[in-house]
Amino acid sequence: EAGVVQSPRYKIIEKKQPVAFWCNPISGHNTLYWYLQNLGQGPELLIRYENEEAVDDSQLPKDRFSAERLKGVDSTLKIQPAELGDSAVYLCASSPENTGELFFGEGSRLTVL
Amino acid sequence: GNSVTQMEGPVTLSEEAFLTINCTYTATGYPSLFWYVQYPGEGLQLLLKATKADDKGSNKGFEATYRKETTSFHLEKGSVQVSDSAVYFCALSELNRQLTFGSGTQLTVLP
Repeated sequence: EAGVVQSPRYKIIEKKQPVAFWCNPISGHNTLYWYLQNLGQGPELLIRYENEEAVDDSQLPKDRFSAERLKGVDSTLKIQPAELGDSAVYLCASSPENTGELFFGEGSRLTVL
Repeated sequence: GNSVTQMEGPVTLSEEAFLTINCTYTATGYPSLFWYVQYPGEGLQLLLKATKADDKGSNKGFEATYRKETTSFHLEKGSVQVSDSAVYFCALSELNRQLTFGSGTQLTVLP
């Protein structure tokens, strides 16, 4: 069974440019998460989806970040415009219903110059 | 709110040494507790979990016991290997929703 797939693995952009990350969760997993991981720190939740609905986006900086999960499967996380402080790894995870166990992708490493 | 505090690293051990990585938590209810591991260049993966007090999670020689009285979930292994070198994250989840992670502990095992 395929795991959580993320792309791109690496992205380097200049500040003020837009960037988008894509995630394909494990088939059948209704819950999808986007986490932010800064260097030397644990992941922090940005947004959680139950099917198509964003049920927790309280930590998403909505002035520049947006996310969508059309049809309750793939998801896209966008940053526009990017700032230097956005340099981090963006992790996508999915979970079977009501297990609390998350399956993570390899992450998308963003460098903003 | 919920939080997880982990023993700060990095931790460097010789092969076959005993490992303990401390983890304590703060939660309003009765969380499930997890240890995740991140090997170099790979994504986070679940190492073990415990869902209620006094449960012991175990996998690949690692163990952790859910201690409600001390709000702890310390990770232990009796004899580490070079291949155990990774970053270890303690995490909790209430009502099986999102995970709250600790800051991670870098483990390096020397041959």
